[in-house]
Amino acid sequence: EVQLVQSGAEVKKPGESLKISCKGSGYTFASYWIGWVRQMPGKGLECIGIIYPGDSEARYSPSFQGQVTISADKSINTASLQWSSLKASDTAIYYCARLLGGTFFDYWGQGTLVTVSS
Amino acid sequence: QSALTQPRSVSGSPGQSVTISCTGSSSDVGVYNYVSWYQQHPGKTPKLMIYDVTKRPSGVPDRFSASKSDNTASLTISGLQAEDEADYYCCSHAGNYLVFGGGTKLTVL
Repeated sequence: EVQLVQSGAEVKKPGESLKISCKGSGYTFASYWIGWVRQMPGKGLECIGIIYPGDSEARYSPSFQGQVTISADKSINTASLQWSSLKASDTAIYYCARLLGGTFFDYWGQGTLVTVSS
Repeated sequence: QSALTQPRSVSGSPGQSVTISCTGSSSDVGVYNYVSWYQQHPGKTPKLMIYDVTKRPSGVPDRFSASKSDNTASLTISGLQAEDEADYYCCSHAGNYLVFGGGTKLTVL
C-alpha cells in the first residue's frame, strides 16, 4: 500500500528556520516525482514545487522560487521542504503528494500544519 | 505564474448536474493534456477525481466526467448527491511545475 507520512505540526517564530518531511513507503520512492502543496488558512491549493528523488532534481513554481528549498534522500525514502527564515505568511498546511507520470497527484500525505507567530 | 480561473462557487439540487470550469492559458491547459481534478472535503486531504483531462481513477463514480476545449477544462458531476458537497480544484501541468485553480465550492441544496 502506497503511503506518504508527514512530520508533525510545528509552531515557530518569525525568522526561525524549519524543515518538514515526507516519508514514502509501499512503492519505489526514487522512481516517482514528489510534489509539495501549500494551503493557507481558508484558501486554495498551491503547488510549491516538485522533486525527483532518484537524482534530487527539483523544480519550483515561480512564486516559490528562492523562498523555500525542496530536497530528497532516497536512501531513507524521504522528501523535505525547508525554510531558512519563516514569515507569518508561511502559516499553512503543507501537503506532500506523489506525482504519477509527472502529471497528477495520486497519493497525498496527511498534511503538516505550520504556524508562524510571534 | 497565475492560478487557473475557477468560479468561486456553484450549486445544484440532488439529482441535478453541475459543471465547473477551469480556464488557463496557452502555457498550461491549452497546451498540455494533463489536467487533473481534486475533491477536498473540509479538514480532509485532497482526493484525485480526474486525471489526464478525462480519466477516472478506479473507485471514482462515473457520475464524475471531464473534458477540455482550448484553454478551458470542465468537470461535470451528474446525479448530484449530498456527499459531493466539497471544494473542487483543477490542476494543470505548466512545463516545469504544476498550477492549481483557485477552487470552487460546490453546494448541494
